Amino acid sequence: GQQLNQSPQSMFIQEGEDVSMNCTSSSIFNTWLWYKQDPGEGPVLLIALYKAGELTSNGRLTAQFGITRKDSFLNISASIPSDVGIYFCAGQQRDNFNKFYFGSGTKLNVKP
Amino acid sequence: DSGVTQTPKHLITATGQRVTLRCSPRSGDLSVYWYQQSLDQGLQFLIQYYNGEERAKGNILERFSAQQFPDLHSELNLSSLELGDSALYFCASSVWGATDTQYFGPGTRLTVL
Repeated sequence: GQQLNQSPQSMFIQEGEDVSMNCTSSSIFNTWLWYKQDPGEGPVLLIALYKAGELTSNGRLTAQFGITRKDSFLNISASIPSDVGIYFCAGQQRDNFNKFYFGSGTKLNVKP
Repeated sequence: DSGVTQTPKHLITATGQRVTLRCSPRSGDLSVYWYQQSLDQGLQFLIQYYNGEERAKGNILERFSAQQFPDLHSELNLSSLELGDSALYFCASSVWGATDTQYFGPGTRLTVL
């Protein structure tokens, strides 16, 4: 089946540092999505990307839709303690029953 | 608030029992997806519906079934429950477009004792 390779699996950083994580696939996607999940809660959509090469920001978060349509990255600048959580990438394929495929997540820990 | 609602928030039951989880999609969304997330695991896709019809199945056990009703709400039925079925169950909805975005509900935490 389709797989999204998300890295890194976990990160331990100091407050104020910048963070970068990415997702790659062997398949092409129509949409790339980035979510944040807090423990016991549902994933919350952070950024949606719909076009190859698109660069979108949401506050301190910036994400890009790779030109090949097979990858995406998420950057968080000047991290703060409330950034702690698990970040998931997801890719959508319209041709394949409109399925969404998820990465395994990046667990972010921020030390004050 | 994503606009996707799920009930109940928590469910505690015994092995062998049957439960029903309910989901209402965002207004205007025609497609509903169900996911299972066990402790410290990723999201496992279970099943997908579009406008009342099943469209895709993932790793859904035969003991589990789902349906989407004419008003577009969906129910996930879990029967003959086992300890290993304890997990968070999420519903998500989307419009079903060429480019699409999926929004998640708050989840139902199922505990099987």
